[in-house]
Amino acid sequence: SAVISQKPSRDICQRGTSLTIQCQVDSQVTMMFWYRQQPGQSLTLIATANQGSEATYESGFVIDKFPISRPNLTFSTLTVSNMSPEDSSIYLCSVESEGDLYGYTFGSGTRLTVV
Amino acid sequence: ILNVEQSPQSLHVQEGDSTNFTCSFPSSNFYALHWYRWETAKSPEALFVMTLNGDEKKKGRISATLNTKEGYSYLYIKGSQPEDSATYLCAFLSGGSYIPTFGRGTSLIVHP
Repeated sequence: SAVISQKPSRDICQRGTSLTIQCQVDSQVTMMFWYRQQPGQSLTLIATANQGSEATYESGFVIDKFPISRPNLTFSTLTVSNMSPEDSSIYLCSVESEGDLYGYTFGSGTRLTVV
Repeated sequence: ILNVEQSPQSLHVQEGDSTNFTCSFPSSNFYALHWYRWETAKSPEALFVMTLNGDEKKKGRISATLNTKEGYSYLYIKGSQPEDSATYLCAFLSGGSYIPTFGRGTSLIVHP
């Protein structure tokens, strides 16, 4: 299965600033997925990133707050913009696991704290 | 919005104890259920994918069962070890969707 490198692994940021999270996959994949887990909550899909087209955002998430880039089939970034303490979460990127009935392979996550 | 519940939210056991926890999901339009283990600062790791009512999967000391008619899956750990300490997530897939709905997870801590 694919191996995903995600960075940074953690960061502490000031409110009002932005953070860009990067994910690099060791193989070409059509779709990459960005998830968020707020404290005590479930993993929630933010958006699906396809190469060559705009990301598809889930309800409650907007491009201005979470802009996504997908310049090629192995790389994607998620930016958390104009951060507030409510953005403190773990952010994960993922790709579908081959032959695993829509199972996912995940990056190791970015633990973000906004102060 | 699909309701996927995991219980308990957290669990502390002693090394050597056996334990189990539950994932509840809608009993209609079932497609698949995934279990993941998520250790702190690591990637969530796939444990099992379950598709058929009555499925039972096993990997070492960990096993899982599935009841799609009543909408639940159990994860069992036999003889827990400190390295089993992690959050265990279930993810439900309904027919026609490739986007899973995750539960909040069960946090397991195994004390030596």
